[in-house]
Amino acid sequence: DFVMTQTPLSLSVTPGQPASISCKSSQSLLNSDGKTYLFWFLQKPGQSPQLLIHDVSSRFSGVPDRFSGSGSATDFTLKISRVEAEDVGVYYCMQAVHLPCTFGQGTMLEIK
Amino acid sequence: DVKLVESGGGLVQPGGSLRLSCAASGFTFSNYWMHWVRQAPGKGLVWVSRINTDGSSTGYADSVKGRFTISRDNAKNTLFLQMNSLRPEDTAVYYCARVNGTWGQGTLVTVSS
Repeated sequence: DFVMTQTPLSLSVTPGQPASISCKSSQSLLNSDGKTYLFWFLQKPGQSPQLLIHDVSSRFSGVPDRFSGSGSATDFTLKISRVEAEDVGVYYCMQAVHLPCTFGQGTMLEIK
Repeated sequence: DVKLVESGGGLVQPGGSLRLSCAASGFTFSNYWMHWVRQAPGKGLVWVSRINTDGSSTGYADSVKGRFTISRDNAKNTLFLQMNSLRPEDTAVYYCARVNGTWGQGTLVTVSS
């Protein structure tokens, strides 16, 4: 299987400060169609996961611009420019290029 | 309003079967690949299965291959997951997801005697 490794597994951030989560794939996520199907999701406490970023760096509708995604091939990053209280939860990366699709282990973000 | 609503979860004995449904609304269902993802209590997200737009291509996690079958009815805007030979380790909340968009609220499957 294609392993997705997230780091760190937990983050404690002061409101207004930046945060960054890394996601590394065991193999390149560049698809034969030229796209890279790498997604970032946030699961807030007690809720279903919600899409933040698709195709590495495209913000989903309604997602604040403090969230950004970057990377290529095997190395990807989610950045929050200024963390807010509502950003608490678990962040997951996911690849949908290779079967089986795979999620990272999740990164729990808490507010200091 | 884009919406996915799962149903069909419940308590089932080991070896039993369940069929999950996911009713889609607010978007052109037949244009999107769809996925099932599960989450055991207190654990992370685990991908289960996906299906392409017309149902001609499917994929499964190794842990469910041969036991679960994904399908869709585009005329009824509905996604399905037929789960057979259920095991205690299949206990989880099952989410229907358009991974490049909306997720459902999930339906709980408990496999226990």
